[in-house]
This record gives sequence, C-alpha cells and structure tokens, in this order.
Amino acid sequence: DAGVIQSPRHEVTEMGQEVTLRCKPISGHNSLFWYRQTMMRGLELLIYFNNNVPIDDSGMPEDRFSAKMPNASFSTLKIQPSEPRDSAVYFCASSGGPAGEQFFGPGTRLTVL
Amino acid sequence: KQEVTQIPAALSVPEGENLVLNCSFTDSAIYNLQWFRQDPGKGLTSLLLIQSSQREQTSGRLNASLDKSSGRSTLYIAASQPGDSATYLCAVKANDYKLSFGAGTTVTVRA
Repeated sequence: DAGVIQSPRHEVTEMGQEVTLRCKPISGHNSLFWYRQTMMRGLELLIYFNNNVPIDDSGMPEDRFSAKMPNASFSTLKIQPSEPRDSAVYFCASSGGPAGEQFFGPGTRLTVL
Repeated sequence: KQEVTQIPAALSVPEGENLVLNCSFTDSAIYNLQWFRQDPGKGLTSLLLIQSSQREQTSGRLNASLDKSSGRSTLYIAASQPGDSATYLCAVKANDYKLSFGAGTTVTVRA
C-alpha cells in the first residue's frame, strides 16, 4: 500500500486566496483525521471523519476552514480566505477504526504571505 | 483535558548508547498510547501502539512500556545509531478517536 497520500506537498499563496489540500487515505481505512502542526501549538486535531461522515469538527479554527469527504478514498480541507496565521504543516491521517493505530501522510506545508 | 508531557525536550547521546524517552499523561483513563517518529520536514511514522490492557510492546530495538496508574510510558531504543536521530512523539488516545500529543523529544545520536 502507498500509505496516506497528500497533495500538494508545498503550497505558497497570498493572503485572501483560497487553498485546497487533498488527502487519499489508506485503502480500507474508515477513519480519517486532519491535523495542523505549528511550532507554537504542536499537533492539533482539526476534524475527524468516520465512514465519510464528519464526527468531530470542534478543532476547526473558524468558518474560513471547511472539510469534506465525498467518498472513502478522498478528502479535502479548504481555507477561504487564507491568512498568514494559517501558515503551518497540515497532516492527514487514517486508521482502520476510530480507536486503531493512526497512519500519517507526509503533510502539506502551507505558507500564506 | 488530557495533558501529555515529554521530558527532556532534547537529548544527545553517543552512538551505541541506549535511549530512554519519557512520556507522562494526566488522565489514566486511556484507550491506547502510540509512539511516533518525525524526521525534519516529514510526516509522522508510527513506531509502536500499546493498548490500555498491555504493559509493553516491542519491535526490534524498540520497547515501549505503559503504566496507566502512574500515567507514564517509556520508549527504550537499544544500541542507538545515527539514523535514530529524529523527534519522538508520544500520543495518548483518551476516548475512541482523539489523540493528544506531547511536544516531543528531539534525539541526536552522535557518530
């Protein structure tokens, strides 16, 4: 298996632009997680999907952030409009069940100028 | 709220020495505990998962112990190598899905 796949790996954009991050979980995994990592706050859970349904989005910073999972093999995290404080590394992770071992993708490094 | 602490924040050892990394958590009611490795600019690699009913888990040179009652886990890496240099993160699952991460211990193994 290729593991969790994320794209793009790096994104540089200007303040106010829309950013879309993509994730393909490991085949057969039914739980998907989006995290954000910064030096100041470490790793934070943004949103958790189980069987394509958002279960916990309490970590989503504000309405500028949205996430979707239209099917079991694809998820997106969108930021609109983006701000410099959104600069971080965004990780997607999946697991075979909500309590199972989580496997992380390589991350997307986002820089908002 | 579950708080996870990793001490020390950084560690430097000569090659061949055994590594001992500590993780403590405030709420002992956990589902499991997972140790990760993160290389600079990379994602997290899962090293070991210990279920709450287990006392330890081993994989090659790695051994992780769990003492739920005292809220502690220790990751042992035997006979360290320069390739072991990375940041090691401890994560505790306090309910059925949410991981709470420590800030990590950055390890440097000197050749």
